[in-house]
Amino acid sequence: TQLLEQSPQFLSIQEGENLTVYCNSSSVFSSLQWYRQEPGEGPVLLVTVVTGGEVKKLKRLTFQFGDARKDSSLHITAAQPGDTGLYLCAGNTGFQKLVFGTGTRLLVSP
Amino acid sequence: DVKVTQSSRYLVKRTGEKVFLECVQDMDHENMFWYRQDPGLGLRLIYFSYDVKMKEKGDIPEGYSVSREKKERFSLILESASTNQTSMYLCASTVHGGNTEAFFGQGTRLTVV
Repeated sequence: TQLLEQSPQFLSIQEGENLTVYCNSSSVFSSLQWYRQEPGEGPVLLVTVVTGGEVKKLKRLTFQFGDARKDSSLHITAAQPGDTGLYLCAGNTGFQKLVFGTGTRLLVSP
Repeated sequence: DVKVTQSSRYLVKRTGEKVFLECVQDMDHENMFWYRQDPGLGLRLIYFSYDVKMKEKGDIPEGYSVSREKKERFSLILESASTNQTSMYLCASTVHGGNTEAFFGQGTRLTVV
């Protein structure tokens, strides 16, 4: 079974702070996705990174795919309460299925 | 608006009961998945299907079975529910091919008592 470990598991910060979430694996993935899940809902895709070393920006969110395509990070600048949620990374195995990470629960207080 | 719909948000069942969780998607997606979600463990794949009547075991298939008789519908069956199957169950669908977005249902929180 391929595993994706996320750290930290839980993060509680004040509005305006910066944070980074990490997603690590010993396996190589053809692509890496990040999802956000809000209470009572299913996960929703934020971004897909495909190329080793790729960096994508989505407003205040910056996503990076490791050079070896085994790890990824999500950096949020000036976090806002609306960023609160569960962040999940997911690796594409190339066999039509996604392997999900353990999740990082983010709480941003006003 | 694309949709994956799960038949129930909340279910309470007794130990030993046979439980059916239904999922329907309206996007004509080939692939459908069932995951369970537990705190600290992320989403773990139970079963997936890449075509009608086709199924593949995921990482934790024990105690579960699935059925896909129509392209839009994927059912998860708990043959004899046990308390350790209390969890959040999520259905998802994708098109064929790599790097595609997974669309999720809203989840079914199942409690087995």
